[in-house]
Amino acid sequence: DSGVTQTPKHLITATGQRVTLRCSPRSGDLSVYWYQQSLDQGLQFLIQYYNGEERAKGNILERFSAQQFPDLHSELNLSSLELGDSALYFCASSARTSGGWEQFFGPGTRLTVL
Amino acid sequence: GENVEQHPSTLSVQEGDSAVIKCTYSDSASNYFPWYKQELGKGPQLIIDIRSNVGEKKDQRIAVTLNKTAKHFSLHITETQPEDSAVYFCAAPNYGGSQGNLIFGKGTKLSVKP
Repeated sequence: DSGVTQTPKHLITATGQRVTLRCSPRSGDLSVYWYQQSLDQGLQFLIQYYNGEERAKGNILERFSAQQFPDLHSELNLSSLELGDSALYFCASSARTSGGWEQFFGPGTRLTVL
Repeated sequence: GENVEQHPSTLSVQEGDSAVIKCTYSDSASNYFPWYKQELGKGPQLIIDIRSNVGEKKDQRIAVTLNKTAKHFSLHITETQPEDSAVYFCAAPNYGGSQGNLIFGKGTKLSVKP
């Protein structure tokens, strides 16, 4: 158990809908990262937050947005869903250790868009 | 940004044999290289990492080597066991250094046959 929690575990929805994925980082970690894992694209970085502020953006679609709240949990919002958005979405958190920033991943949310 | 290539994409070994997975990276400023193991239905789990001030690091049956000149690093698993069967990912930090989001290789599916 990495200490990172994600809810829900599974989500099934229809095209055009909007969903919210939730992540709670490990206790004390200030950074949260969101990654998308699909069969043909591997693990792709979406966005990073550090202590409530957006730190970095990857290939995140305009239909997707995220935020990190004062209690450090984060939410990833996906709207106008398309079939191609079906994937595993992982959240990771990190804290500085000696020499680097180890990232610890949650169990993921499996999103199925029908 | 960083680019990470990983080989092979699949690897099948007999129990007790060794397994080697290789990765190359592009950004000479990168100085932190983690390896993750992902079992079916779970999130990636950090199993070992190496920083650029060392050439090799061992943890029981797992070792990682780093060649900064050639910009490649490898994961070595000795005395493989069926429970080592999983998908393994190498990664490197984007934008160099050791902080921030990770760029992942495409993954290696390791199968250990009893």
